[in-house]
Amino acid sequence: DAGVTQSPTHLIKTRGQHVTLRCSPISGHKSVSWYQQVLGQGPQFIFQYYEKEERGRGNFPDRFSARQFPNYSSELNVNALLLGDSALYLCASSSPGGQLYGYTFGSGTRLTVV
Amino acid sequence: TQLLEQSPQFLSIQEGENLTVYCNSSSVFSSLQWYRQEPGEGPVLLVTVVTGGEVKKLKRLTFQFGDARKDSSLHITAAQPGDTGLYLCAGGTSGSRLTFGEGTQLTVNP
Repeated sequence: DAGVTQSPTHLIKTRGQHVTLRCSPISGHKSVSWYQQVLGQGPQFIFQYYEKEERGRGNFPDRFSARQFPNYSSELNVNALLLGDSALYLCASSSPGGQLYGYTFGSGTRLTVV
Repeated sequence: TQLLEQSPQFLSIQEGENLTVYCNSSSVFSSLQWYRQEPGEGPVLLVTVVTGGEVKKLKRLTFQFGDARKDSSLHITAAQPGDTGLYLCAGGTSGSRLTFGEGTQLTVNP
């Protein structure tokens, strides 16, 4: 079984540009969450989607947006990139009850903003 | 804002030693999850504890959830170089998000 897949694995962008990151959850998982992990810190919650609806939003500016598609894959979009957006962006999928059974994370997209 | 504080932040020990990592908060969590993360990879779930006072064992790893569900600990017995990694605790609430601690970077030297 394929795990959570994220693309691309690495990305270099210039300040002010826009970026789209993609995530495919484990087959059968309808919930996708996005996290930002800055070097040396724990992941910070950005969004959660379940059945194509936003179920939670972290403390991130409106430059960050996301959506979930009918096949439960998801995109994270970041506009007007800043140097501080450089981080590892992680996608996690879960079945209902992720709080009880845990989340499966992808390997992440390493975004570098120059 | 819910915060989870992990200690120590860094730990370097010799193979065969025991260690304990702590995860503390002033907030109550419905569940507490422990993950291990290796460089260039996403976190991998080790265990979930949901009941106050719960103790779970995974081979040489012992996890405990505090009675008040505000804190947790991870104890590793006879650490091995393969245990090297970033250990993250994460608290779950009735909502959808996990609140992660800053992590404990463990290095086990042969």
